[in-house]
Amino acid sequence: SVLLYQKPNRDICQSGTSLKIQCVADSQVVSMFWYQQFQEQSLMLMATANEGSEATYESGFTKDKFPISRPNLTFSTLTVNNARPGDSSIYFCSSRPRDTQYFGPGTRLLVL
Amino acid sequence: GDSVTQTEGLVTLTEGLPVMLNCTYQTIYSNPFLFWYVQHLNESPRLLLKSFTDNKRTEHQGFHATLHKSSSSFHLQKSSAQLSDSALYYCALSRQGGRALIFGTGTTVSVSP
Repeated sequence: SVLLYQKPNRDICQSGTSLKIQCVADSQVVSMFWYQQFQEQSLMLMATANEGSEATYESGFTKDKFPISRPNLTFSTLTVNNARPGDSSIYFCSSRPRDTQYFGPGTRLLVL
Repeated sequence: GDSVTQTEGLVTLTEGLPVMLNCTYQTIYSNPFLFWYVQHLNESPRLLLKSFTDNKRTEHQGFHATLHKSSSSFHLQKSSAQLSDSALYYCALSRQGGRALIFGTGTTVSVSP
């Protein structure tokens, strides 16, 4: 298994600003995933991040809006650029070292 | 692409009654991995069940599910619901180990006394 930690737990920001969400794993993992979840709705896969390479984004998500860094095997950062009220949601980092996929505690973002 | 369908958005029932949540999937991959995740309020999703084997029942914490490749289904069942089962349940699919799961839209289960 793997334990994932996220920082911050929650954040409130103004429209047009940028914010960073950090994810740290307690062991090395090949891939980290980022998901977006609106209030009690589905978990949408945003991107897959592997060490030393550019993240692969799913349809509807772009690197300009949601740049992701993966500098090493235990760390990843998701940035939300030019935040808008429609970006208000929970962001989860996740990893799947073997069969089971594990999630961080999530970061609740509110954009005013 | 791969997809997962959960037909019920909300299931409300009385404690002690059986629960069944539907899950069907689409993939071109012949050996998909199927999962059920549960998410309680203000928590992150956690694994409830998983299966990679056709027609084999898998059980955990009173819940069970059987992967049926012939019908592309992986329905979740429990014989007697408890108040603590109130949560959001997601069915998920993956083609192979290491790749990110694709989640269905989720089913909210609300159990009342």
